[in-house]
Amino acid sequence: KAGVTQTPRYLIKTRGQQVTLSCSPISGHRSVSWYQQTPGQGLQFLFEYFSETQRNKGNFPGRFSGRQFSNSRSEMNVSTLELGDSALYLCASRSTDSTDTQYFGPGTRLTVL
Amino acid sequence: AQSVTQLGSHVSVSEGALVLLRCNYSSSVPPYLFWYVQYPNQGLQLLLKYTTGATLVKGINGFEAEFKKSETSFHLTKPSAHMSDAAEYFCAVSKGDSSYKLIFGSGTRLLVRP
Repeated sequence: KAGVTQTPRYLIKTRGQQVTLSCSPISGHRSVSWYQQTPGQGLQFLFEYFSETQRNKGNFPGRFSGRQFSNSRSEMNVSTLELGDSALYLCASRSTDSTDTQYFGPGTRLTVL
Repeated sequence: AQSVTQLGSHVSVSEGALVLLRCNYSSSVPPYLFWYVQYPNQGLQLLLKYTTGATLVKGINGFEAEFKKSETSFHLTKPSAHMSDAAEYFCAVSKGDSSYKLIFGSGTRLLVRP
């Protein structure tokens, strides 16, 4: 099976702009989670979607939003970008067994200038 | 609240030496535990996981970890380090209650000296 794919791999934006990141999970996986990775804060959970519904949300401002489509693909949007939003954004696809095993994509490196 | 502590932000070993990366967790309920590895400019790759059953878990690339409930630990070991093991390693915990949120440690960067 193909792994989790994320597009684009790299993005450069300026403050105040908005950005949309895309994630395609492993075939058959219906749950997608998003994480932010920064040198200062480490890996932090953003939100999780299952069957097009957000089921869990981390402690991030409302500028961070997401959605999931009927084919399980997910998008994450960040509006009014700030310098501190520069990070590696990782998408994870959860296995269909009863464990919480998550498989990660390569990430999107967002740089805000 | 759950938390994960990884002792040592950097660990340096010689090639062929034992690798030991430490992870302690706090959880009010029996957790699921994971180790992930991250190579430069890449995502996270699952090394191994503990959910239920045998407390000694074997993973990929010769790594293993032992769940010790009494010590709330899940240390990662490998008998003989290889240069290709140089990477950052993350321990993670989830509650196992269908919350599906992973709490990560701060990571340990493993350096392997020739």
